[in-house]
Amino acid sequence: DADVTQTPRNRITKTGKRIMLECSQTKGHDRMYWYRQDPGLGLRLIYYSFDVKDINKGEISDGYSVSRQAQAKFSLSLESAIPNQTALYFCATSDSTGPPLHFGNGTRLTVT
Amino acid sequence: QKEVEQDPGPLSVPEGAIVSLNCTYSNSAFQYFMWYRQYSRKGPELLMYTYSSGNKEDGRFTAQVDKSSKYISLFIRDSQPSDSATYLCAMSQGGSYIPTFGRGTSLIVHP
Repeated sequence: DADVTQTPRNRITKTGKRIMLECSQTKGHDRMYWYRQDPGLGLRLIYYSFDVKDINKGEISDGYSVSRQAQAKFSLSLESAIPNQTALYFCATSDSTGPPLHFGNGTRLTVT
Repeated sequence: QKEVEQDPGPLSVPEGAIVSLNCTYSNSAFQYFMWYRQYSRKGPELLMYTYSSGNKEDGRFTAQVDKSSKYISLFIRDSQPSDSATYLCAMSQGGSYIPTFGRGTSLIVHP
């Protein structure tokens, strides 16, 4: 089984709908992250959490919210989806002793 | 200017070639340097991780960091078609350790 699991793998939704992307991990890491990836723009940080009670905005948090339900679970919500939120979304984890991030296999989100 | 610059490619090479992938950066506080490989429709996977300057070798892969030039490289020897992927460089400072990523270089190794 994957150490970092994202659900769903693919999602198509309509403009204005609320959706949630979920991430769970079995690595025992304290830190969790949400990134989006767009062609030509690379990976951009949306939100990150260093522990259950710590939530921080990344460089592109507008239009997104997150919830850290437990050490192992970190979900990303789009309150009212818009077409330019169409992208590949990745969850990642790391421990507190160093930077290497460990990624899930992503959720491909399409907003029509 | 982005903090981390990486040529998106694509870089196309024949099987068996030595591949050189590079990134430049502007933030002299970066101390941790990483290379990730990403196959289509998959998440990035950590390939190499180094701290500060110097070289690190792992099988066919060698990572080099030149902090004086703010330049990092990944070399792939005896490249294989299975090496075809996007390679992302990433780097971070001490403290938060949150990495800044390059845009990725698409590599195609043809038989």
